[in-house]
Amino acid sequence: DIQMTQSPSSLSASVGDRVTITCRASQSISTYLHWYQHKPGKAPKLLIYAASSLQNGVPSRFSGSGSGTDFTLTISSLQPEDFATYYCQQNYDTSITFGQGTRLEIK
Amino acid sequence: QLQLQESGPGLVKPSETLSLTCTVSGGSISSSSYYWDWIRQSPGKGLQWIGNIYYTGTTYYNPSLRSRVTIFKDTSKNQFSLKLSSVTAADTAVYYCARQEYRNSPFDSWGQGTLVTVSS
Repeated sequence: DIQMTQSPSSLSASVGDRVTITCRASQSISTYLHWYQHKPGKAPKLLIYAASSLQNGVPSRFSGSGSGTDFTLTISSLQPEDFATYYCQQNYDTSITFGQGTRLEIK
Repeated sequence: QLQLQESGPGLVKPSETLSLTCTVSGGSISSSSYYWDWIRQSPGKGLQWIGNIYYTGTTYYNPSLRSRVTIFKDTSKNQFSLKLSSVTAADTAVYYCARQEYRNSPFDSWGQGTLVTVSS
């Protein structure tokens, strides 16, 4: 399996802050990397696909970058509704794997 | 608009088989290129991919669950299903069904999720 490691595991930030979450793959996955936002009691929401493409309807304050093994999700100016858990996910391999998640909390 | 809805028992006894069904509306599970997936989240843990079924019927499973998982589809009902055998408390989770447009596509549509508790 390809292992996905996110950092940090948790993060405290304030409204208006710029936040970056990192995801590292245990081997090269090209740009087959996607980011999701997950709130309690809801289904995960796709934010970024193919490492850097913004899903329709997702605010432009979300952006993604990277290729190979190292990827980042950036939120340029945190809004109250952005406090959630974020996951990266790879499907370069037929065995799909997620990162362990980054919990973004209000400072 | 595509909608997915999970259904099945919310309580399963240890050693028994967990069975869930995902009903798809607003699209056909027979449409070419689509993969239909099962994903779960155990309490306090992250997301785990369980497996999927291609529109042709080909299946792919998480290696850690492969010996206990079966995913199949009923085209006439526009449903796909999950069976997980020999369950333990570690299989307690919210189970989601989801769709991928292509093998390398993200999960772009999800069901709301259903909680399955394994307990006697």
